[in-house]
Amino acid sequence: AQTVTQSQPEMSVQEAETVTLSCTYDTSESNYYLFWYKQPPSRQMILVIRQEAYKQQNATENRFSVNFQKAAKSFSLKISDSQLGDTAMYFCAKGSNTGKLIFGQGTTLQVKP
Amino acid sequence: EPEVTQTPSHQVTQMGQEVILRCVPISNHLYFYWYRQILGQKVEFLVSFYNNEISEKSEIFDDQFSVERPDGSNFTLKIRSTKLEDSAMYFCASSDIRRGSYEQYFGPGTRLTVT
Repeated sequence: AQTVTQSQPEMSVQEAETVTLSCTYDTSESNYYLFWYKQPPSRQMILVIRQEAYKQQNATENRFSVNFQKAAKSFSLKISDSQLGDTAMYFCAKGSNTGKLIFGQGTTLQVKP
Repeated sequence: EPEVTQTPSHQVTQMGQEVILRCVPISNHLYFYWYRQILGQKVEFLVSFYNNEISEKSEIFDDQFSVERPDGSNFTLKIRSTKLEDSAMYFCASSDIRRGSYEQYFGPGTRLTVT
């Protein structure tokens, strides 16, 4: 069975500092996609960043970047220059060729002023 | 920017009643999904739909659930006889896998409360 694990239920960071959220996954597929979604209190699911497994280069979107370690099946999210608006639940998700997304348990991130 | 829409935003129903949750996916997308999130828990896959049929479903998606694309724009999730444990946030998502991005765009969700 495919699983996605986020081992940090809660994290906090001071505004303007950097924080890293961890994610590991298990799969037997060779081609897949990985995503980080942000869920603010409104509960809307917002795509933050994605990574194709066949690409060795880590994805970057402005202040958000990933550290993708395919052999270790690890996919962490780094948020630089944290802002108060980054306060949210963050979900790591794995997609597959069937399209289904498998989500981790989520990490609640609190950015403190 | 195109977006996925869902109605209603909040539905309250009594146990045993039927509910229909509605979604309008992004217009040029071909793949449609329903997920649910029980409060405080992770998002769980329910079903995927392509070419007017179910392509994959989870163990949660039992005979009480059904999906339909009644016209060219709407995508619905029906729960025939709701149970207390069906109370959750239900998200619709769509994607255009032909682009190879596998990105799924989520709607704002419908909060279902079963009393």
